[in-house]
Amino acid sequence: DQQVKQNSPSLSVQEGRISILNCDYTNSMFDYFLWYKKYPAEGPTFLISISSIKDKNEDGRFTVFLNKSAKHLSLHIVPSQPGDSAVYFCAAQGYGNKLVFGAGTILRVKS
Amino acid sequence: NAGVTQTPKFRILKIGQSMTLQCAQDMNHNYMYWYRQDPGMGLKLIYYSVGAGITDKGEVPNGYNVSRSTTEDFPLRLELAAPSQTSVYFCASSYNARSQPQHFGDGTRLSIL
Repeated sequence: DQQVKQNSPSLSVQEGRISILNCDYTNSMFDYFLWYKKYPAEGPTFLISISSIKDKNEDGRFTVFLNKSAKHLSLHIVPSQPGDSAVYFCAAQGYGNKLVFGAGTILRVKS
Repeated sequence: NAGVTQTPKFRILKIGQSMTLQCAQDMNHNYMYWYRQDPGMGLKLIYYSVGAGITDKGEVPNGYNVSRSTTEDFPLRLELAAPSQTSVYFCASSYNARSQPQHFGDGTRLSIL
C-alpha cells in the first residue's frame, strides 16, 4: 500500500528549461511534505518542504506546490542545471514523526 | 561539520552472521532513525528513537535490533543475516519530530550472500 507515489521513474530535461517532478499521496492526514535530493553513493539531502497550511513554497530555483484537494504536490526547478541531475524523493509526514517516502524520480539535465 | 556519520560504508556478510551498523550524529538531535532502501523503492523506516533509552519500531523492524544509550549514537544490529536484508541502510537524525527535515548519513551498502 503505497501512500506516497512518484509515478515517473525518470525525467530528462534540457539545461535551462524547467523540471517538474510530481508526487501523489493517499493519506489525508499528511500535513508536512518534503523533497530530498540524492546523488549516487551519498545520503538524501533535504531540499525544500511545505506545510499543509500553504500551497506554495519557494527557495531560489526550487518551488514546491501543494494541491490538497488533489492530494498532489510538485517540485519545479527553474532553470535546470546539469548539477541538478540526481534522484529526487518526495516524503510526507502525518501524525507522529515518521516520514513516508516515494520511490524516487531520476532527473537528468542535459547540457 | 560531520553531521551524521555511518560506518562501515560497505560490508559483505554470509548468511547467519551478525553485525552492527554504526551511526553517530554531532548535531545534538533528539530523534534518530534507521531506514533501508531497496532498488527502485523508497526508504522504509526500520526503527527510530526519540531520545536516549527510548526506541520504537518502524515499518520493517523484523530481523533488526537497536539501542540508544547516548544522544549521539544509534547502532543497528542484525543478528542472523538473511539475503532479504541485502540493502542500503541510511541513518538520519532530526531536532524535533514534527515539521523538521531529517538529516541523513551517506549510507551503508550491505550484501548478504
